[in-house]
Amino acid sequence: DSGVTQTPKHLITATGQRVTLRCSPRSGDLSVYWYQQSLDQGLQFLIQYYNGEERAKGNILERFSAQQFPDLHSELNLSSLELGDSALYFCASSVDPGGLQKDTQYFGPGTRLTVL
Amino acid sequence: SQELEQSPQSLIVQEGKNLTINCTSSKTLYGLYWYKQKYGEGLIFLMMLQKGGEEKSHEKITAKLDEKKQQSSLHITASQPSHAGIYLCGADGGGTSYGKLTFGQGTILTVHP
Repeated sequence: DSGVTQTPKHLITATGQRVTLRCSPRSGDLSVYWYQQSLDQGLQFLIQYYNGEERAKGNILERFSAQQFPDLHSELNLSSLELGDSALYFCASSVDPGGLQKDTQYFGPGTRLTVL
Repeated sequence: SQELEQSPQSLIVQEGKNLTINCTSSKTLYGLYWYKQKYGEGLIFLMMLQKGGEEKSHEKITAKLDEKKQQSSLHITASQPSHAGIYLCGADGGGTSYGKLTFGQGTILTVHP
């Protein structure tokens, strides 16, 4: 158990809908990362928050957004869902924002999203 | 952008055999991370390498980063069925990419008892 929790574990929805994925980082971690894992694209970085502020952005679609709240939990919002959005969505957390002092990212168990 | 290539893509070994998985980067590696994933589950952190020539071991798994910091290898000695899974290498690109990890496509390891 990494200490990172994600809910829900599974999510099945229809095209065009909107869903929210939730992540609670490890105790003491200020940085949260979101990744998407699919068979064709592999594991890809979406976005990072550090202490409530957006820190880095990857190939995140405009239909996707995220935020980190004062209690440090984070939510990833996916809207106007398409079949291709079906994937495993992981949240990871670390103490620092990343920098010269390398910091390990610990991953949650993931949310499996199926868009029908 | 940085790309990581893992080889082999899949590996089937008999229990007790040694094996090596390689991870090659298109750019200098500022931080190289090895993770293990059971299918459909979360990633488990194994080791992180940062300095050229660095080598780390944990139980029967040893990871190395070459001197030029563009290639890493993961070696498992006397493999066991519990080692089966998907091994992923991830890299921190440095500079403004700090914190953002780029991952290889993964190596699927099967260990037959």
